[in-house]
Amino acid sequence: EPEVTQTPSHQVTQMGQEVILRCVPISNHLYFYWYRQILGQKVEFLVSFYNNEISEKSEIFDDQFSVERPDGSNFTLKIRSTKLEDSAMYFCASMLLSGANVLTFGAGSRLTVL
Amino acid sequence: QQQVKQSPQSLIVQKGGISIINCAYENTAFDYFPWYQQFPGKGPALLIAIRPDVSEKKEGRFTISFNKSAKQFSLHIMDSQPGDSATYFCAARVPGSARQLTFGSGTQLTVLP
Repeated sequence: EPEVTQTPSHQVTQMGQEVILRCVPISNHLYFYWYRQILGQKVEFLVSFYNNEISEKSEIFDDQFSVERPDGSNFTLKIRSTKLEDSAMYFCASMLLSGANVLTFGAGSRLTVL
Repeated sequence: QQQVKQSPQSLIVQKGGISIINCAYENTAFDYFPWYQQFPGKGPALLIAIRPDVSEKKEGRFTISFNKSAKQFSLHIMDSQPGDSATYFCAARVPGSARQLTFGSGTQLTVLP
């Protein structure tokens, strides 16, 4: 079964450092998302991406965050200067078509900011 | 209005029992209500979903009951098994929204052997 692949599975970084989280969505999917989940809390939307541009972003997704699809397969989330409160599990998700309903999530990247 | 309220926060059920998780919403524009199952260290995985024009959907031991007038929906797990122990999230979607899903706060289900 096709899956969304995320790397790294866990990253520890110092406050103020830049972090790049990588995702390989399902190959024929067109819509891409980042969500995050602070430990013990609900899954929160960060950003959606379609046709090489951001479709929508949440209040969490401030100027410290950026997304990129540098080639035909990878989808990245960059945090420019990490803060302690950025510590969370970050999930990438992809979907084939708008309205297709089935959002497939990756296993997540755990970010720990010290 | 974008919120989905989920309860209980945690649930302990004996093997073979029925697990019931409830969600409520305010936004009547929501048009799709999935339930996701998440095991520790894994991403959420779609379990079952319903549209608001249907009052019930059953897939194996999992049933969604949907009450449009009350703006509530619930997940019932029949004959609960220890392997069902996981966190369950309800979610809802606004049509045409690129953010796709708004999640509830999650319910940690423990099924005792």
